[in-house]
Amino acid sequence: AQKITQTQPGMFVQEKEAVTLDCTYDTSDPSYGLFWYKQPSSGEMIFLIYQGSYDQQNATEGRYSLNFQKARKSANLVISASQLGDSAMYFCAMREANSGNTPLVFGKGTRLSVIA
Amino acid sequence: GAVVSQHPSRVICKSGTSVKIECRSLDFQATTMFWYRQFPKQSLMLMATSNEGSKATYEQGVEKDKFLINHASLTLSTLTVTSAHPEDSSFYICSARGDRVGNSPLHFGNGTRLTVT
Repeated sequence: AQKITQTQPGMFVQEKEAVTLDCTYDTSDPSYGLFWYKQPSSGEMIFLIYQGSYDQQNATEGRYSLNFQKARKSANLVISASQLGDSAMYFCAMREANSGNTPLVFGKGTRLSVIA
Repeated sequence: GAVVSQHPSRVICKSGTSVKIECRSLDFQATTMFWYRQFPKQSLMLMATSNEGSKATYEQGVEKDKFLINHASLTLSTLTVTSAHPEDSSFYICSARGDRVGNSPLHFGNGTRLTVT
């Protein structure tokens, strides 16, 4: 079964508008971490934001915020005031047993295109 | 901080040859590094977990004799694609954690685009 599901292969957003990228996850581990990464066409993976399973508040990082709904097992990324430079692939990822040296499992990604 | 350097960024090799990819943690020690593979327009798939001073742990379906991993020091892990074939052409990217705190992200190298002709 998919541990991370991103249902939007592609999204378009007008410059300066906000956009939400969906992510749902599946785990039975009570301790986990959720991450969002941005991958521009150059291929590098840029860390954006983190949400821990025990965090009470939604994470925010500049224009990025994470809408964490634990009961629904969703961790949607909200990008406010979109910029042309936000056009990229966005990956949601999870780390189970959120300690020690466990790897990240990635979703299939969403390609965001920001339109001028 | 937490910079991961990967080299080379791009390599073209002939079928049957071997290619070595290096992954270095520049400003921290990484007892564990992860190697991922990404086909065009697809997600990152974990290939193996590289452990300093011990054998790597490979994911199901990844041939350990074909993808040799060596983690000889706390700052260097290498992936060698042996007897490369065109189907091995892909984007290979390594990663490591700067520390073992739960919320620390994986830091990634810039990746290696391998083309086997």
